[in-house]
Parts: sequence; structure tokens; C-alpha cells
Amino acid sequence: QSVLTQPPSASGTPGQRVTISCSGSNSNIGSNNVCWYQQFPGTAPKLLIYSTNQRPSGVPDRFSGSKSGTSASLAISGLRSEDEADYYCATWDDSLYGRVFGGGTKLTVL
Amino acid sequence: EVQLVESGGGLINPGGSLRLSCAASGFSFSTYTLNWVRQAPGKGLEWVSYISTSGRTKYYADSVKGRFTISRDNAKNSLYLRMDNLRAEDSAVYYCARDLSGTYYFDSWGQGTLVTVSS
Repeated sequence: QSVLTQPPSASGTPGQRVTISCSGSNSNIGSNNVCWYQQFPGTAPKLLIYSTNQRPSGVPDRFSGSKSGTSASLAISGLRSEDEADYYCATWDDSLYGRVFGGGTKLTVL
Repeated sequence: EVQLVESGGGLINPGGSLRLSCAASGFSFSTYTLNWVRQAPGKGLEWVSYISTSGRTKYYADSVKGRFTISRDNAKNSLYLRMDNLRAEDSAVYYCARDLSGTYYFDSWGQGTLVTVSS
């Protein structure tokens, strides 16, 4: 059981905009910035978004992040087949005093 | 280029011990905080442990507290995870992950090493 809650799956067609949600509580998302990781099968995760809405160098601006209250979202615009992957949200939890993850969302490009 | 290369995984009996290693290169190792993150087969990510640049400060997930010990050798650019009293639920790919400087975001990951706890 993950501390942060994500939908297990999401889907979209090429060119569409899709969003993936991440729900938490006051002790984590409610008081800390969020990040998102992208993971392809059999490979290590990659940092996609940090500090809620910042992109590391090399990440396309099709990827964006936001936060409101105790929930965060990852938006992918202009969906491409190569975006098909697992996406994880994560943040710091003040009560657990550690990093916490969402359970992950498998994105399918139809 | 930043590189993190884990080793030491394998098949181990329940109750056994294992030491994982992570060899780092391509960055100033002693100036970065590091972590271990694991992923059970077909499951999500779980943060396991953190170590400060000096090695004096360490944190653990409740699920491994008292059984796992993180350490580092800055002279050898290496990170370690000593795992004792292993359980079936510890079976996972273990990743070494570097913190984006001054934050709790993992900006570089190794390829992972698989630990299987089974009799």
C-alpha cells in the first residue's frame, strides 16, 4: 500500500493531452514539492519533473507538473508512442520523515 | 557522465545476509547524498535508505529499520547496503540513487541489482 495514490492505468491517443493524478495528505504533498519519474520496462526510473513543475535538462516541455492542496498532477501534451511507460509521483513525508512514492501509473498510447 | 553501478545481488535464503555495492563515477562522489531504492517484481518503487555526504547521518524506511545498514566510502567512490535477517518481502531490484544536490529528488540511478530471498 503506497502512501501516495495514483490511478493504476491511463491511456490516450497520439497527439492527445493526458493527465495523471497523485493524491496524498497534509504531511506529504500538502507541505512539500512533488517530483515525477518515468520508467520503461526493464530500466531504471528517470527524473521527469522536480520541485512540482521543473523539468531537468533534456525533458521535453510536453511534460508539465502542478500541485493543488494535497494532490499533484502530471500532464503530457502532444502524446507520443514513446511516452508509453510507467509514471511515479514522489515527495517527502514530514510524518514518516522519508521519501514516499505513489504506486505508479501505466500509461498506454492507443 | 554520471555512472552508478550496483553489484552484489543474488539468491539468498530467508534469514541470510547480503551486502550490495554501488560504484560511482563521473561526479564528485563525496559531495552528494545517496540512497537505496527498491522495486519488487511487478511492483512500485520503495525508498529504502539515505546517507549524508559524510556518512554520519542515515535514515531508513520502517520496513528495513534494524535489519539494513547503509554506508559509504568516499575514498573508493562507493556506496553499500548491508542487509541482514532477509525476508521474502525484501526480494526486489535494488537501485542506488543520487540526490539532486540539496533536495530529495533522485536525479541519477544505477541499473539495479536483483535480490531474491527464497529457500
